[in-house]
Amino acid sequence: SQTIHQWPATLVQPVGSPLSLECTVEGTSNPNLYWYRQAAGRGLQLLFYSVGIGQISSEVPQNLSASRPQDRQFILSSKKLLLSDSGFYLCAWQQGNYGYTFGSGTRLTVV
Amino acid sequence: AQSVTQPDIHITVSEGASLELRCNYSYGATPYLFWYVQSPGQGLQLLLKYFSGDTLVQGIKGFEAEFKRSQSSFNLRKPSVHWSDAAEYFCAVGADNAGNMLTFGGGTRLMVKP
Repeated sequence: SQTIHQWPATLVQPVGSPLSLECTVEGTSNPNLYWYRQAAGRGLQLLFYSVGIGQISSEVPQNLSASRPQDRQFILSSKKLLLSDSGFYLCAWQQGNYGYTFGSGTRLTVV
Repeated sequence: AQSVTQPDIHITVSEGASLELRCNYSYGATPYLFWYVQSPGQGLQLLLKYFSGDTLVQGIKGFEAEFKRSQSSFNLRKPSVHWSDAAEYFCAVGADNAGNMLTFGGGTRLMVKP
């Protein structure tokens, strides 16, 4: 069966520090992968999506970047975090027309 | 471009009462429609989806949704709400037959009174 892993679950980082959030998918190949962010009390904001290795599309220009070094690995990064980067980050995968499967999320607090 | 509107940001219902969460979409062709639920601090879980066929679809946890093309709606219903249904609910529409890129509504937070 397909599973999606996302870590860490929670993270507290100082302003100006780097960030790396990892998402991996098991049991599937060539999935579409997505990074979303939820700010407190708000809906889902699409940050990046990827349809294959090395293929990244950015939906919102900002302080973050994404990479897909392997078929089932999707990484969200930042060189220098801002206070406004705080939020709940969700990774999702999609194969075919069957909607998304979401990871359990990472709660990032920038202090 | 497609869009999804969930008119109700917050809804409070009593336990045992019926529930309807509204979802309106804008999309030029036949949409692929989804409802997700998110418990606090958790990822989103798929409740149900509509691709084609019967316009009334059944999902997990006793939820159902009805696709009404004339009203561009896909409202979520449950006949009797349980306290454990308190969560945030998201409606989403799929882009095209390739199934790529869901667009999500802003979500509806459901609170359940004992």
